[in-house]
Amino acid sequence: AQKVTQAQTEISVVEKEDVTLDCVYETRDTTYYLFWYKQPPSGELVFLIRRNSFDEQNEISGRYSWNFQKSTSSFNFTITASQVVDSAVYFCALNAYNTDKLIFGTGTRLQVFP
Amino acid sequence: EAGVTQFPSHSVIEKGQTVTLRCDPISGHDNLYWYRRVMGKEIKFLLHFVKESKQDESGMPNNRFLAERTGGTYSTLKVQPAELEDSGVYFCASSQTRSGGADTQYFGPGTRLTVL
Repeated sequence: AQKVTQAQTEISVVEKEDVTLDCVYETRDTTYYLFWYKQPPSGELVFLIRRNSFDEQNEISGRYSWNFQKSTSSFNFTITASQVVDSAVYFCALNAYNTDKLIFGTGTRLQVFP
Repeated sequence: EAGVTQFPSHSVIEKGQTVTLRCDPISGHDNLYWYRRVMGKEIKFLLHFVKESKQDESGMPNNRFLAERTGGTYSTLKVQPAELEDSGVYFCASSQTRSGGADTQYFGPGTRLTVL
């Protein structure tokens, strides 16, 4: 069975703090894909990143970085120097090879206070 | 380029009524998906179209839900008759072509359905 766990339901930080959102996944497939999506207050799901299971290199995009570790089945997301505009619900998702359905975690609500 | 659009943004209906949700995918995207998020829970897959064909409808909860994608462009999701437990946010997503089964899916803003 495939499963994504986001144990942190809600996180509150003050602007400029660094914050890490945890994502742990379960799958028996050797080829799979991991995603992060952001849902701002406006409601749409905004794609942030996609990683495949063969690429464990960490990725950095501006203030965002992702740490993929197959040994612990984790795909954590860090925001450096958080800003109020980062306030949103963040979803981690898993997609196994040759399937098309995304398996989502329950999401982590991040609130960044000024 | 326009993103995925959904209509209406919000619908409030009474139990037993019918509601039809519409999704327009990104132009040129063959794959169209429907997902649903019930309050506080995870977003769950409902079904997947490749062009006008249903590729996977394993997530459809019951036969009160009917999805169509005539002509392989926009899609509709009809709930008839609606029940209280159908309340939630219905998301539509699209992706271009299958490439090993994991094209990036781009989501619309969702339709919030409230059944009273």
